[in-house]
Amino acid sequence: DTGVSQDPRHKITKRGQNVTFRCDPISEHNRLYWYRQTLGQGPEFLTYFQNEAQLEKSRLLSDRFSAERPKGSFSTLEIQRTEQGDSAMYLCASSLSGNPEQYFGPGTRLTVT
Amino acid sequence: KQEVTQIPAALSVPEGENLVLNCSFTDSAIYNLQWFRQDPGKGLTSLLLIQSSQREQTSGRLNASLDKSSGRSTLYIAASQPGDSATYLCAVDNAGNMLTFGGGTRLMVKP
Repeated sequence: DTGVSQDPRHKITKRGQNVTFRCDPISEHNRLYWYRQTLGQGPEFLTYFQNEAQLEKSRLLSDRFSAERPKGSFSTLEIQRTEQGDSAMYLCASSLSGNPEQYFGPGTRLTVT
Repeated sequence: KQEVTQIPAALSVPEGENLVLNCSFTDSAIYNLQWFRQDPGKGLTSLLLIQSSQREQTSGRLNASLDKSSGRSTLYIAASQPGDSATYLCAVDNAGNMLTFGGGTRLMVKP
């Protein structure tokens, strides 16, 4: 049973560049979540999918952020025109409807220079 | 808006001690509460999940309690070991689809 996987694990980019992260949930899980965690803080919710539908978005998700889950399996999170304040760990989690426990991936650490 | 607070922010104990980590939340209308462990630079590992109708859950040396009316949860770790050193995060689910996290407690267990 493979867990949640995320790619890449680390990304260093220059300010103004676009970046895209990928998350592969546990295979039978139909719910997928993105969170952001800055150093020394707890994770903050960004967005949530049930199957391919994006059902909720946080106000943290500015216009520069977009998330997709086109076939209800893997998801991508894109950040356009990155800023230094985007430097954080981006965490993906998945769960199965009817079971509230969320399972987290290892995260993608983004550093914007 | 739900707010989650964890006290203390950091804790250092000698090996073998029993310890209690605290979590408080402002909105008691929760679906469930989860405790996670996070090692430095890593993702989160789920430790225990307590449904809103439950009072406690146990797994090995860990016991988590929930008092919804007072907006509190505690994580009890028995006979602590150096391998327990990590950050422990409490998270509440108000709507059945997103978690609100506390800032975490950084635990160091000294041999």
